[in-house]
Amino acid sequence: GAVVSQHPSRVICKSGTSVKIECRSLDFQATTMFWYRQFPKQSLMLMATSNEGSKATYEQGVEKDKFLINHASLTLSTLTVTSAHPEDSSFYICSARDPQRGGDHEQYFGPGTRLTVT
Amino acid sequence: RKEVEQDPGPFNVPEGATVAFNCTYSNSASQSFFWYRQDCRKEPKLLMSVYSSGNEDGRFTAQLNRASQYISLLIRDSKLSDSATYLCVVNTGGNEKLTFGTGTRLTIIP
Repeated sequence: GAVVSQHPSRVICKSGTSVKIECRSLDFQATTMFWYRQFPKQSLMLMATSNEGSKATYEQGVEKDKFLINHASLTLSTLTVTSAHPEDSSFYICSARDPQRGGDHEQYFGPGTRLTVT
Repeated sequence: RKEVEQDPGPFNVPEGATVAFNCTYSNSASQSFFWYRQDCRKEPKLLMSVYSSGNEDGRFTAQLNRASQYISLLIRDSKLSDSATYLCVVNTGGNEKLTFGTGTRLTIIP
C-alpha cells in the first residue's frame, strides 16, 4: 500500500527552540498533505492542510506563525514548531492521499513524531 | 455537540465474543465514512470504508445509517490482536478533510 514516512520519530527539545518534522510520500505524489496533533487519550485533531506550491490552510485556533508548514515538492511537507513550549508536547502525525488509488478520501498516515519539550 | 461522537469505552471482551461499536455524526452533508484502528502510540491505520449498503471484510462488518446519522462496526469471533482503539472518521463536503471521533478502546481478554 501507499507509504508515508515521517522524520524524526521522536524528538526531545528545550523550551524556546524550534523543531522541524518532515513528512514524505514514498511511492506516490501528494499534492495535499495533512498535519494532525494528538494529545494523550484524545483523538487526532487536524491542524492544517498542506498544499504543494501554495500556502497551507490552518484550522481555527492553530497559530500559523507558530506552526510553519512548507510543501515545496509533491513528496515532501515539513512542519516547524517554532519557539516550542512544554504545552506543544504531543504526537504529530501527517497524512496524504494518493489521488491515483483508493477512493472515498482515504488517507495514508505517517508513523508520527513524538515531541517532548522540556 | 461534537461532529463525531463515540463511546470511549473501554470495552473488555472475552476472546471469541462479538462486539459492536456505534458512532454518530452531526453533519448530514457528510459524504464518506471510515473505521480506523490505532494501536498504542502508533499511527491510525484504515480498517475499512463504510458504504451505504453496508460492507463486510472477514470478521468485520460496517453499517451506515444516513437517516439516523450513525455508523456501526461489528467484530465477530474477536481475537487478542483486535485489542486497539477504533476511530470513527467522517469526511464532510467536497474537500479531503477528515474528522476523527475520540475513539473506542477495545481490549480482548484471553
